[in-house]
Amino acid sequence: DIQMTQSPSSLSASVGDRVTITCRASQSISSYLNWYQQKPGKAPKLLIYAASSLQSGVPSRFSGSGSGTDFTLTISSLQPEDFATYYCQQSYSTLVAFGQGTKLEIK
Amino acid sequence: EVQLVESGGGLVQPGGSLRLSCAASGFTVSSNYMSWVRQAPGKGLEWVSVIYSGGSTYYADSVKGRFTISRDNSKNTLYLQMNSLRAEDTAVYYCARDVRTAMGNWFDPWGQGTLVTVSS
Repeated sequence: DIQMTQSPSSLSASVGDRVTITCRASQSISSYLNWYQQKPGKAPKLLIYAASSLQSGVPSRFSGSGSGTDFTLTISSLQPEDFATYYCQQSYSTLVAFGQGTKLEIK
Repeated sequence: EVQLVESGGGLVQPGGSLRLSCAASGFTVSSNYMSWVRQAPGKGLEWVSVIYSGGSTYYADSVKGRFTISRDNSKNTLYLQMNSLRAEDTAVYYCARDVRTAMGNWFDPWGQGTLVTVSS
């Protein structure tokens, strides 16, 4: 099974900061990597698909990059509504796997 | 508007059964791949099961043999039958459309979730 590891597990940042979250796969997954945002008590929301494609309606301050085993989610200028938990998800194998999550908190 | 609404969660004793429902609107369940994803309290996301548009089904090892995914095309509704429930099955269960393309698959949209608690 493919394992997904996110870093850091938690992160404190301020409004206006540039933030990067990393996701590493245990084997190459090409560009079969997606990112989700989840706020407390809410369902996850798709942000980025296929490593770097922005889902419709998602602000352009969110971007994704990477291929193979290493991927990043970048928020160019943090807004108050961006404080949430972020998950990566691989779709290379039939048995889908998520990363453990990165909680982004206000400094 | 594309929307998913889950129901059927609740408190059940270990070894018991429960059936979750996920009513779809704005798209046709039978023409899409559909998945269940769960989240234990304070934990991350765990994929549970998928049903393909053609009817094939797949399960996570943790639920294989105990859970069954199905759909009712006339009701445009997805189901998850959960048998032999264990304490570790306690979670919020989300249904999601499993979008399949040449660039991979992703979940969009998601339902609001329904809480299943397995406890005596």
